[in-house]
Amino acid sequence: DTGVSQNPRHKITKRGQNVTFRCDPISEHNRLYWYRQTLGQGPEFLTYFQNEAQLEKSRLLSDRFSAERPKGSFSTLEIQRTEQGDSAMYLCASSLQGTLHFGNGTRLTVT
Amino acid sequence: DQQVKQNSPSLSVQEGRISILNCDYTNSMFDYFLWYKKYPAEGPTFLISISSIKDKNEDGRFTVFLNKSAKHLSLHIVPSQPGDSAVYFCAAIVNQAGTALIFGKGTTLSVSS
Repeated sequence: DTGVSQNPRHKITKRGQNVTFRCDPISEHNRLYWYRQTLGQGPEFLTYFQNEAQLEKSRLLSDRFSAERPKGSFSTLEIQRTEQGDSAMYLCASSLQGTLHFGNGTRLTVT
Repeated sequence: DQQVKQNSPSLSVQEGRISILNCDYTNSMFDYFLWYKKYPAEGPTFLISISSIKDKNEDGRFTVFLNKSAKHLSLHIVPSQPGDSAVYFCAAIVNQAGTALIFGKGTTLSVSS
């Protein structure tokens, strides 16, 4: 069990640039989640896949955000035209049912 | 509208004593509850869970209690150790619906030796 892997661990970008993060879930897990965490807050749900189907999207996920999970394996989260308010820790998690297993996140800083 | 609330941002306890972390929820459809622990620069790690059909679940030093009528759960750590110092998140889900896990804001536990 190699756990959930996220890359990169840190990303610094200038406002207006596009960024893409990758998540590799635990191999037998069919569900994959993206969360965002800012200082002093708990993880906030962004979106969720069951296999390759994106089943739920939060209102937090603006039009500038898009997530994919081709072939139901790894997932990418892209943020277009980044804003300073996008600065946060982006967490990926996977599960079979109930208990989510998280990666160590990607820390995004928008300058 | 917060569905999962952790009203104590921080808790300080001496080594060897009991730590009690509290959590309240508003959605009566939640049927599965979890506690996660988070160290700086790491993702949350699963600690213990409880189904709504139970009122207690124990795993070593960690026990979770669920009071459905009060929509309240608590995590007890006995005895507390300095390595337990971390942020603890309460989370809840409507498990059968396959919806996302909803987290509280967390409680920072500091255990002093």
